[in-house]
Amino acid sequence: DAGVIQSPRHEVTEMGQEVTLRCKPISGHNSLFWYRQTMMRGLELLIYFNNNVPIDDSGMPEDRFSAKMPNASFSTLKIQPSEPRDSAVYFCASSLSRGEKLFFGSGTQLSVL
Amino acid sequence: GESVGLHLPTLSVQEGDNSIINCAYSNSASDYFIWYKQESGKGPQFIIDIRSNMDKRQGQRVTVLLNKTVKHLSLQIAATQPGDSAVYFCAETPGNQFYFGTGTSLTVIP
Repeated sequence: DAGVIQSPRHEVTEMGQEVTLRCKPISGHNSLFWYRQTMMRGLELLIYFNNNVPIDDSGMPEDRFSAKMPNASFSTLKIQPSEPRDSAVYFCASSLSRGEKLFFGSGTQLSVL
Repeated sequence: GESVGLHLPTLSVQEGDNSIINCAYSNSASDYFIWYKQESGKGPQFIIDIRSNMDKRQGQRVTVLLNKTVKHLSLQIAATQPGDSAVYFCAETPGNQFYFGTGTSLTVIP
């Protein structure tokens, strides 16, 4: 199994630009999670999906952030417009079902200049 | 101005010694716990898990202990190796989403 696949691995963009992060969960996993990791706050849950449906998006910082899961094998996290304070490592994780162990991708290192 | 960030607990051990990493969790309703290892530039990696109906679980060189009375979790690593150097996170869940601790940075001295 290839595990959770995220792209891109690194993204450098300028303030105001749109950023789209992508995630392919492990095949057969029904739950997908987006986390953000910073030195200031550690690992923060942004949003999670169960069976492609967003269940809890209370961690999404503001309206500039949006996430979609159009099918069981793909999810995106979009930031528009991006700001320097969005710079962080963004992780996608998936699990067989809610409450089961999470498998993380390698993350996307985002730098907003 | 001075930047304020998470103060990661640190642990330094000699190669070959045993390591013990501790975690206090907060939610009494949590019934499933996991330890993750995160190496620099990588995502968190599953190490071992334990459910609330157990108080101890052993893996290969790792043991997790759960004390529900005081809401405490620990990870023991036997014969610590340089490859064990990483940040270790505990995670708890009451059944929906996971809540992660701030992490402990383990450094193994050759």
